[in-house]
Amino acid sequence: QLQLQESGPGLVKPSETLSLTCTVSGDSIISNNYNWGWIRQPPGKGLEWIGSIYYSGSTYYNPSLKSRVTISVDTSKNQFSLKLSSVTAADTAVYYCARQFYGSGSYYNVRYFQHWGQGTLVTVSS
Amino acid sequence: SYELTQPPSVSVSPGQTATITCSGDRLGDKYACWYQQKPGQSPVLVIYQDNKRPSGIPERFSGSNSGHTATLTISGTQAMDEADYYCQAWDSSTASMVFGGGTKLTVL
Repeated sequence: QLQLQESGPGLVKPSETLSLTCTVSGDSIISNNYNWGWIRQPPGKGLEWIGSIYYSGSTYYNPSLKSRVTISVDTSKNQFSLKLSSVTAADTAVYYCARQFYGSGSYYNVRYFQHWGQGTLVTVSS
Repeated sequence: SYELTQPPSVSVSPGQTATITCSGDRLGDKYACWYQQKPGQSPVLVIYQDNKRPSGIPERFSGSNSGHTATLTISGTQAMDEADYYCQAWDSSTASMVFGGGTKLTVL
C-alpha cells in the first residue's frame, strides 16, 4: 500500500535553509488526479499547508510562505522535496508530506490530503 | 486570505452525538473535508467532498456543508473518537489549501 516517508535534518540553525525529502513507495508519483504536498504543525498547534506539487513540476504555495518555499519533484526517485529558507524558531514544527487528491470536471475543486507520512520534527535552534 | 473557524473544544458523553462546526465565507460553495488526529499520530481523513467517508471510516462519522458552515457529526461517540479534528477546504481564488484551527473533542 501507499507509504510516504519524510527524511532530513532534525535540527536547523536560524537563518539557514530547511531541507526535507518525501519518499513515496507503493505507488508512482506520476499519477493523474494527485498532487504531493507538505503540511506542518508547530508543537501544540494546528495544521498549516505549505505547498503542493504535481509530478510535472507545477507548484502552488501558501501565500504566507511563498517567498521562502521551494518544492521540487524527482520522478526517477519517486520523491519530492521541500526547501524553506531563512528559518526562525517559528518554523519549528512537525513536517508532514502527503498525497493530495484533486477532482476533475465539475468536481475540480475537490481537494484533500488522502494519505500522510508519519511526520518529522524539525527544530530551529542555534 | 480565506479563513476557516472552528470551536477550540467540544465535549460529549459516550454514546451521544458530537457536532463540530467549521465556518467560512460561503463555505457551502466549496468542498469541505475533515481530518482526525490523535496525540502523536498523523492526521487521518474521515470525511471528504463534504459528506463522503473513506474506506475504513466507521459509519458513525458523517458530514454536511451548506451556507457558511460545514459540520462533522459523530453519532454514538466512543472513547476512541477523542481526538483533534480539523476541517479543510480548497480556496480557488488564492489556489490554497486552507485548514481550520482545529477542535479538541473530549469524550467524558
